[in-house]
Amino acid sequence: GIQVEQSPPDLILQEGANSTLRCNFSDSVNNLQWFHQNPWGQLINLFYIPSGTKQNGRLSATTVATERYSLLYISSSQTTDSGVYFCAGTMNTGFQKLVFGTGTRLLVSP
Amino acid sequence: NAGVTQTPKFQVLKTGQSMTLQCAQDMNHNSMYWYRQDPGMGLRLIYYSASEGTTDKGEVPNGYNVSRLNKREFSLRLESAAPSQTSVYFCASRGWTGRGQPQHFGDGTRLSIL
Repeated sequence: GIQVEQSPPDLILQEGANSTLRCNFSDSVNNLQWFHQNPWGQLINLFYIPSGTKQNGRLSATTVATERYSLLYISSSQTTDSGVYFCAGTMNTGFQKLVFGTGTRLLVSP
Repeated sequence: NAGVTQTPKFQVLKTGQSMTLQCAQDMNHNSMYWYRQDPGMGLRLIYYSASEGTTDKGEVPNGYNVSRLNKREFSLRLESAAPSQTSVYFCASRGWTGRGQPQHFGDGTRLSIL
């Protein structure tokens, strides 16, 4: 099945710094999503981005489907950005199964 | 508009007990899903229901059963709980069975089996 690799696995930032999280897929994917799992365990939808670029405040995401990767940019990070960031996508031949990466754990210190 | 609602939020069971996790969505979505998340990992699909009246196995279905009660509700049952089923369970829904829609998640049920 499809493999989803996220990098870096862990990231520590000073408040105000910028960062880029990467998600690589072993095969073509559809319905790519980025999530933030907050310290309370809730999964927050950040972006639905099967291709192209989207921005939402300090966050933006870019997916290059032909090269099988996606990037999440966090600018001017805040302590509330701490948590785990997951990317996930569905396979071309199995659109129901959302396959998750193992996540990037982000800690933003004041 | 509550989105996807899961009950209960927390539960502790003894090995061998049975339990049903409830999920309801108010977005008129066709597809619904159950995932589990183990420590330090991403989510893995247990079962899904592409539409009312259908259910299919996902990646890790052993030890679970599901029921799509109606379009709104999709329940997950553990018939004889085992410690290996200690996990956080997430329910999700999606708008239509074709491509091009995101999945929306509930807040999770934290289940511990002693």
